[in-house]
Amino acid sequence: GENVEQHPSTLSVQEGDSAVIKCTYSDSASNYFPWYKQELGKRPQLIIDIRSNVGEKKDQRIAVTLNKTAKHFSLHITETQPEDSAVYFCAVRSNDYKLSFGAGTTVTVRA
Amino acid sequence: NAGVMQNPRHLVRRRGQEARLRCSPMKGHSHVYWYRQLPEEGLKFMVYLQKENIIDESGMPKERFSAEFPKEGPSILRIQQVVRGDSAAYFCASSPSNLQETQYFGPGTRLLVL
Repeated sequence: GENVEQHPSTLSVQEGDSAVIKCTYSDSASNYFPWYKQELGKRPQLIIDIRSNVGEKKDQRIAVTLNKTAKHFSLHITETQPEDSAVYFCAVRSNDYKLSFGAGTTVTVRA
Repeated sequence: NAGVMQNPRHLVRRRGQEARLRCSPMKGHSHVYWYRQLPEEGLKFMVYLQKENIIDESGMPKERFSAEFPKEGPSILRIQQVVRGDSAAYFCASSPSNLQETQYFGPGTRLLVL
């Protein structure tokens, strides 16, 4: 099965600074890469996703980059705000339809 | 358009009892996925269902666990003879088809086994 590694496991940033989370995967056939944000006790919410035919995608303060050759992709959050504090999960979808998740990154934005 | 619904939101069971978790997908979605999340861990795939069909149950324990998605009504994840290790958050997600990759998650059911 797909093996997804996510780093770092915790990330503390000053408000206004940028946060970067990286994930690597093992299956070269993987074709869809979503990022989810989960606040304590809440459901995972899709914040951005990218498909294998695209190298970068941006949505306001959030961007995702994909390097298919190296099999890694990253989430970038710029101008962080306290409400960005949450656990972020990367995920990978291969041809078998299910999502394989990373272990999560706990992001804390210090005011 | 209501999102994915799950109930109950919290469920407490004693060891040996049965747990039934329900999931109603988003309107127009016919594909349902169940995931389990242990405390401070990521989500682990359990089972993928379409109406009246189990497509992939490779992530589901062979014993005590079963899932269904009948023609009418919600998808059900059933855990028989629960043990303390079953305590977790169980999330359901849905998508309109297997050609559309985006999965939308429900609020989860938090199962506590005493």
